[in-house]
Amino acid sequence: DTAVSQTPKYLVTQMGNDKSIKCEQNLGHDTMYWYKQDSKKFLKIMFSYNNKELIINETVPNRFSPKSPDKAHLNLHINSLELGDSAVYFCASRIGNTEAFFGQGTRLTVV
Amino acid sequence: AQSVTQLGSHVSVSEGALVLLRCNYSSSVPPYLFWYVQYPNQGLQLLLKYTTGATLVKGINGFEAEFKKSETSFHLTKPSAHMSDAAEYFCAVIGTGGGNKLTFGTGTQLKVEL
Repeated sequence: DTAVSQTPKYLVTQMGNDKSIKCEQNLGHDTMYWYKQDSKKFLKIMFSYNNKELIINETVPNRFSPKSPDKAHLNLHINSLELGDSAVYFCASRIGNTEAFFGQGTRLTVV
Repeated sequence: AQSVTQLGSHVSVSEGALVLLRCNYSSSVPPYLFWYVQYPNQGLQLLLKYTTGATLVKGINGFEAEFKKSETSFHLTKPSAHMSDAAEYFCAVIGTGGGNKLTFGTGTQLKVEL
């Protein structure tokens, strides 16, 4: 039973399209994140939600819009995809000051 | 603000040799510190963490790290490298003073040679 699950695992799409990545956690955590990992493996935080409320919104183009329908879900919608959006996107969750648990990642390729 | 610096983006060791991956942090409040490992095409897996208490923490797969406040360091070590240790390693910090920003270092790729 996967703790943090993301779908899809792979996503190949054309420039200009709109796509969504879904994330669900069954750990009862109250905080969820989206991270972007670029080709050099650098992990950059994009967003963080706590109890469905957006608390961290880094310098991310407004083409990226997170949505948290409930504490267990955090989805990422991307409009007008660009070549530079190609990366691996990781969802993670945590509670209190414990460690974060990560999903397996979504490899997005924009062509 | 908090940050993490990992010295050495690539480290190469021989099988059986000591592994030392360096991490220095900057935090205005007492930090919680973590080491994660990422195997190819996988997510991040927690190796070990320091929150409070004992400054020498042991993790999975024989890894350990020591929190040294005076040196603002949290270096990762393993006495004897194994081929299966080859992966990307990330140090991360979160401040205990509130907020939820888990900040990662730039990662160190560990290569283990025969």
